[in-house]
Amino acid sequence: EVKLVESGGGLVQPGGSLRLSCATSGFTFTDYYMSWVRQPPGKALEWLGFIRNKANGYTTEYSASVKGRFTISRDNSQSILYLQMNTLRAEDSATYYCARDGGITRYYAMDYWGQGTSVTVSS
Amino acid sequence: DIVMTQSPSSLAVTAGEKVTMRCKSSQSLLWSVNQNNYLSWYQQKQGQPPKLLIYGASIRESWVPDRFTGSGSGTDFTLTISNVHAEDLAVYYCQHNHGSFLPHTFGGGTKLEIK
Repeated sequence: EVKLVESGGGLVQPGGSLRLSCATSGFTFTDYYMSWVRQPPGKALEWLGFIRNKANGYTTEYSASVKGRFTISRDNSQSILYLQMNTLRAEDSATYYCARDGGITRYYAMDYWGQGTSVTVSS
Repeated sequence: DIVMTQSPSSLAVTAGEKVTMRCKSSQSLLWSVNQNNYLSWYQQKQGQPPKLLIYGASIRESWVPDRFTGSGSGTDFTLTISNVHAEDLAVYYCQHNHGSFLPHTFGGGTKLEIK
């Protein structure tokens, strides 16, 4: 069974940093792209970026809204995905989801999602 | 960036009715190499993460009842739910997954309410 479990959310002051984790199981982690998506309270989903799989060199891509502030990484030995968030702003307050990119068989749609972890940026 | 526009933003229907919601992309999501459309639909119920409903514009995930139908190509896509059930109460999002265009933006969502 595929599982994704996020952790690391919480309250942080503006300008602060936070690292989110996404522990995965039930699939060969290195075979898949992994993504982060966020959702501010009552608002739509926002794609933040992804990290490619082993075959594609684990390279990363980001949305303009977080590029230079957020970093996606992965620990392939432990099947954990990370999101390092720096210089946080109030508008970064949201529920953060990790998701597995389903690859070519799912036309690169996100086929599994975690339950999300909440981040609040406030003084 | 590709802009994904969903309409309507919300709609209310009676159980048993048919509903259609739309998703329009600012650029074609059809990849000429394989004639596949890289458009997915997600269902998000209150307090839950999104769930993949349809990918490739029209291919249902295994858990999805056949009353859900995705269609369209290029820039215009629809999600149709025939015989709406009370359990279909949710927000539905489209997203483009075309590998040549980043970011993989989501639409603003369509909130389905049951009268």
